[in-house]
Amino acid sequence: DTGVSQDPRHKITKRGQNVTFRCDPISEHNRLYWYRQTLGQGPEFLTYFQNEAQLEKSRLLSDRFSAERPKGSFSTLEIQRTEQGDSAMYLCASSSRGDEQFFGPGTRLTVL
Amino acid sequence: SQQGEEDPQALSIQEGENATMNCSYKTSINNLQWYRQNSGRGLVHLILIRSNEREKHSGRLRVTLDTSKKSSSLLITASRAADTASYFCATGDNTDKLIFGTGTRLQVFP
Repeated sequence: DTGVSQDPRHKITKRGQNVTFRCDPISEHNRLYWYRQTLGQGPEFLTYFQNEAQLEKSRLLSDRFSAERPKGSFSTLEIQRTEQGDSAMYLCASSSRGDEQFFGPGTRLTVL
Repeated sequence: SQQGEEDPQALSIQEGENATMNCSYKTSINNLQWYRQNSGRGLVHLILIRSNEREKHSGRLRVTLDTSKKSSSLLITASRAADTASYFCATGDNTDKLIFGTGTRLQVFP
């Protein structure tokens, strides 16, 4: 499979718990992006990596959010002390040239 | 935050008809892209048009870009039931990230 994969596809957690999502990009892509999408809205940019360097973070990414891409391959997005407002679809995308982005299926987070 | 608005928010047509959706944006761009999203799934890239281009075609898709009006349109000709999805425009600048619009929900009835 040469597409972007995300794990898990669904996550239900209780408020206050920590969660971690994983994204595996297309293997030859050096750019990796995280977006968040709430119901009825378009995706909103969270952060992006070029290789292992995190080059930009949105103001949406509070101190409770942290993303890593330790070896320039897969990436993780961790949310600490989850809140109900964190409930959303978290989308990962990768690209090689910085224009067309290839999206994974997303991780749907529900915070109870 | 969203870059701009898409119009209409929802569109219902019969198979075989053409569907046109519009996108407006606010800032300078390098390119504008259109993506499709089936219910609850990831986004699929449809077409990219650069800021120095005015029109582009791909199969049944035709995209126009008017940078003076900061607007773009996506035309899907001879629509099919399988075209039922949400369609988003997204603008790219020199920072690599995409800024998405609010989307148009297209329903194509057989």
